[in-house]
Amino acid sequence: AQKVTQAQTEISVVEKEDVTLDCVYETRDTTYYLFWYKQPPSGELVFLIRRNSFDEQNEISGRYSWNFQKSTSSFNFTITASQVVDSAVYFCALSESSGQNFVFGPGTRLSVLP
Amino acid sequence: EPEVTQTPSHQVTQMGQEVILRCVPISNHLYFYWYRQILGQKVEFLVSFYNNEISEKSEIFDDQFSVERPDGSNFTLKIRSTKLEDSAMYFCASSLGGGSTYEQYFGPGTRLTVT
Repeated sequence: AQKVTQAQTEISVVEKEDVTLDCVYETRDTTYYLFWYKQPPSGELVFLIRRNSFDEQNEISGRYSWNFQKSTSSFNFTITASQVVDSAVYFCALSESSGQNFVFGPGTRLSVLP
Repeated sequence: EPEVTQTPSHQVTQMGQEVILRCVPISNHLYFYWYRQILGQKVEFLVSFYNNEISEKSEIFDDQFSVERPDGSNFTLKIRSTKLEDSAMYFCASSLGGGSTYEQYFGPGTRLTVT
């Protein structure tokens, strides 16, 4: 069975600090996808990134970067120079090759203080 | 940019009542999903739907729940006799294909409050 763990329940940082959100996953599939979603206070789910299990290259998109380490089953998310607008709950999710059953982690609530 | 829409944004209903949550997926998408998020908790998969039938469902999706695509555009989730514990945000999603190479696009959610 697949499982996603986000050990950090809540993180608070001061604006402009860097912050890393951890995600550890479990799956028996060799083909799978990992995702990060942002859920701002308004409640919608905003897609951030999808990563397949065969591509371990780190990815950077503006202030966001992702570190995929298959050896430790981790897919961590770093926000550089955080801003107040980054305050949200961030969910890591896993989808096995069938693609039809997303498993979400419990989420990490990030508060960026001015 | 095409998006998934959901109505209503907030539904209040009394325990024991039937409720129907509506979703309009992206028009050329073929796979449809419902997820639930109890307040303050994680998002949980309920059901996936393809070719007018359920393709996968979770343990949460019991006999009280049903899904339907009554016409070419809507995708509905019906809860037959609501319970207090059904209070949650319900997200609809759709994808072009069923494999995990296809991104699921989420709607804004319907907040269901059962009193």
